[in-house]
Parts: sequence; structure tokens; C-alpha cells
Amino acid sequence: DGGITQSPKYLFRKEGQNVTLSCEQNLNHDAMYWYRQDPGQGLRLIYYSQIVNDFQKGDIAEGYSVSREKKESFPLTVTSAQKNPTAFYLCASTDRSSYNQPQHFGDGTRLSIL
Amino acid sequence: AQSVSQHNHHVILSEAASLELGCNYSYGGTVNLFWYVQYPGQHLQLLLKYFSGDPLVKGIKGFEAEFIKSKFSFNLRKPSVQWSDTAEYFCAVSWFSGGYNKLIFGAGTRLAVHP
Repeated sequence: DGGITQSPKYLFRKEGQNVTLSCEQNLNHDAMYWYRQDPGQGLRLIYYSQIVNDFQKGDIAEGYSVSREKKESFPLTVTSAQKNPTAFYLCASTDRSSYNQPQHFGDGTRLSIL
Repeated sequence: AQSVSQHNHHVILSEAASLELGCNYSYGGTVNLFWYVQYPGQHLQLLLKYFSGDPLVKGIKGFEAEFIKSKFSFNLRKPSVQWSDTAEYFCAVSWFSGGYNKLIFGAGTRLAVHP
């Protein structure tokens, strides 16, 4: 079955450490997205990518970085510059061939600080 | 900046009660509208969507939503809720600009249905 796979499910970060969250999709979608979910704040867009080797900052990109070297992969790195990284991170993808498409979501990664 | 507002953060209902969750957005152009649901311990799922046509859209599990363009609203309704509807509900709005499809979410409404 096609879908989005995020790993790991739980991740712990030490102070000053960079960590990378994985997102892989086999839906052949062009567009991929990273969101951060905090209680009472809904989902906020971190980065998004419409095609390979291209990505754009979302509303809260500071302290994060991404790459899009392959169509099926869109890893997110939470850098030490992100001072409040504890959150639930969701990856999504959609078919760019028509903008009238809903996004498909992964199961998420919960990041905590040690 | 564009935004999506959900008026109720927490809603508590008894089974068989009617449900209406409010959603308003601020964007003057053409939009697509969505309601997503997240059941406890599960990932986000699409409940229903509006792209064009009939402003009253029906989704899964007896949910429906009405798009009122003049009010920039897309409220979610269900005539009779069940205990299994306990979940968090997110309204989302997308638009196409500069070759990019942007999607923003409301803060969510946590619904608890008591037997």
C-alpha cells in the first residue's frame, strides 16, 4: 500500500545536538511538507518542497533545515539553533499535478529534549 | 497574513447531541477547504473537502460542512454524535500561489463525547 513513512516514532535530543527526522513516501507525489504540532496551536508549516532540489521556508523555518535530493524523501533536521524543539512533527505529501488535492500525512515523530 | 480560526478549543457533548464546529479563514482569493480528524493515537485523516460546486459537502461518518463564501466560513456539522467521534478536528485552507500549493491549519477543536 502507498503511504508516508516517518521515522523514528520517538526521538530524544541532547542540548547542542542536531537530529534528523526521516520522511519517505511511495505515492509518487511531487510536493512534500513538514509541520510542527503543538497543543492548542494546530499545525504550523516548517518547510515545503514542490519538486526535487527545491524547497521553501514555511511560517516557522528558523532552527530547521531540509533537503530534497530524491522525490520520495524529504528529511528534516532540527538544529541546535531551534531552542524549543519539543513537539510532534508531521510530514505530508500531495500530488502537484492538480492543486485540488488533499495532503496525505505520516504517523508523525515525537521529539523530546533530554 | 492568511489565517484559519477555529472558535472552540474544547467541546463536550453527550451522545446523540448535534455538533457544529466553527471555522473562519482570511484569504480573499480562491481557496480549497478541508476538515481533518485525528483520533486518539492515530494520524490525521481527511474528513471532507470543498473545491468547487455545491457549497454543502458531505464527508465520511455522517459529517458535513457548508462553505459560506460571504462569511469566509466552513463550519463542520453532524446531526447526532457518537462516542466514537471523540477526537481532535482541524480545519485547513489551501490556495495556489506562485506555483506553490500552500495549506494552513486552524488550532484544532478537541471534541469529547460522553455516553
